[in-house]
Amino acid sequence: EAGVAQSPRYKIIEKRQSVAFWCNPISGHATLYWYQQILGQGPKLLIQFQNNGVVDDSQLPKDRFSAERLKGVDSTLKIQPAKLEDSAVYLCASSFGGSSSTDTQYFGPGTRLTVL
Amino acid sequence: AQSVAQPEDQVNVAEGNPLTVKCTYSVSGNPYLFWYVQYPNRGLQFLLKYITGDNLVKGSYGFEAEFNKSQTSFHLKKPSALVSDSALYFCAVRDGSDYKLSFGAGTTVTVRA
Repeated sequence: EAGVAQSPRYKIIEKRQSVAFWCNPISGHATLYWYQQILGQGPKLLIQFQNNGVVDDSQLPKDRFSAERLKGVDSTLKIQPAKLEDSAVYLCASSFGGSSSTDTQYFGPGTRLTVL
Repeated sequence: AQSVAQPEDQVNVAEGNPLTVKCTYSVSGNPYLFWYVQYPNRGLQFLLKYITGDNLVKGSYGFEAEFNKSQTSFHLKKPSALVSDSALYFCAVRDGSDYKLSFGAGTTVTVRA
């Protein structure tokens, strides 16, 4: 079974530029998550989709971050404009069911973003 | 609100010795607990989870974890550590009434040969 795919793996941009990350979840997984992992910290949830609807985006900085999952499969996370503090690893995860508490989330390899 | 604490930033053990990574949690409802491992430049890999039932949970790569409700702990253990177990370990918790997964800050495990 293929895992969660993410691209690019690394990205270096200058502040005020824009950047986009792509995620393709495990086939058949209804729920997709984007996390931000700052160096030395655990992952923090940015947004959660169930199929193509947003379940929770309460921690997404909506003035600069946006995300979509138009067809209920792959997803794109965008930052525009980027700030220095956005330097982090952006992790995508997926789980089979809905928002069940018992579902295991499976993570992709992440995209390491460096903002100069 | 739910939270997780991993009291040790680093754990160092010799190969062949027992390995323990500590985790305590706080939830208002029933806890659902998870352990993940992260190798350099890789995503998080699922190790094991506790949902209900037997307090001792067995997972991947010889790891196990013990759920202790009275001490609100979910420590990760391995009877005999390998050098290849050197990685960053994360404990995570979900409140039974909430779908959000909250992670601890992580514990770096170093196993010396």
